Amino acid sequence: KQEVTQIPAALSVPEGENLVLNCSFTDSAIYNLQWFRQDPGKGLTSLLLIQSSQREQTSGRLNASLDKSSGRSTLYIAASQPGDSATYLCATRPMNTGFQKLVFGTGTRLLVSP
Amino acid sequence: SQTIHQWPATLVQPVGSPLSLECTVEGTSNPNLYWYRQAAGRGLQLLFYSVGIGQISSEVPQNLSASRPQDRQFILSSKKLLLSDSGFYLCAWSIRGAAPEQFFGPGTRLTVL
Repeated sequence: KQEVTQIPAALSVPEGENLVLNCSFTDSAIYNLQWFRQDPGKGLTSLLLIQSSQREQTSGRLNASLDKSSGRSTLYIAASQPGDSATYLCATRPMNTGFQKLVFGTGTRLLVSP
Repeated sequence: SQTIHQWPATLVQPVGSPLSLECTVEGTSNPNLYWYRQAAGRGLQLLFYSVGIGQISSEVPQNLSASRPQDRQFILSSKKLLLSDSGFYLCAWSIRGAAPEQFFGPGTRLTVL
């Protein structure tokens, strides 16, 4: 059974810092991995989707990497801003559960102070 | 562009009462549709998914059911709510195909008292 862990659970940084959020998963047989952002009381916003054949994806100040063999993904946020404050979730799509199912981590709560 | 709607946004219901949450998607046809629950202190859990009208797959045995009466409409229901049904319910959609990206709605906060 796929288990997804996100460390740290919470992170507080001053504005302007570059930061890395970590995601690890126990089963490396995945179709892809998706990073989301969730603001308090809101739905999820898809940030990046990395296919199993890819090593990384970039969108603006965000860069996500995937190392399937070691069961790890990182989300790199450059030049953080207060508007980046949110909970960041990663989710894998394991091959052994059918391609419809996303298995989520419990998230990293990020606070960027002005 | 595609948009996904959920209503109501918040709901407070007594134990034993029925439930109906609705999700609709605009701007796409033949989507896959999903219901997730996010309970306090726990990750998101897939409850149901649907690949077409009347086709529902259940991931977790529970007090809830889902229906898809129209192509872009997905309904989550219960005949009698339990305290443990409280949580944040999220609907999502994706295109058909293998392992597609999923897009989420704004969610419904359900409190069962």
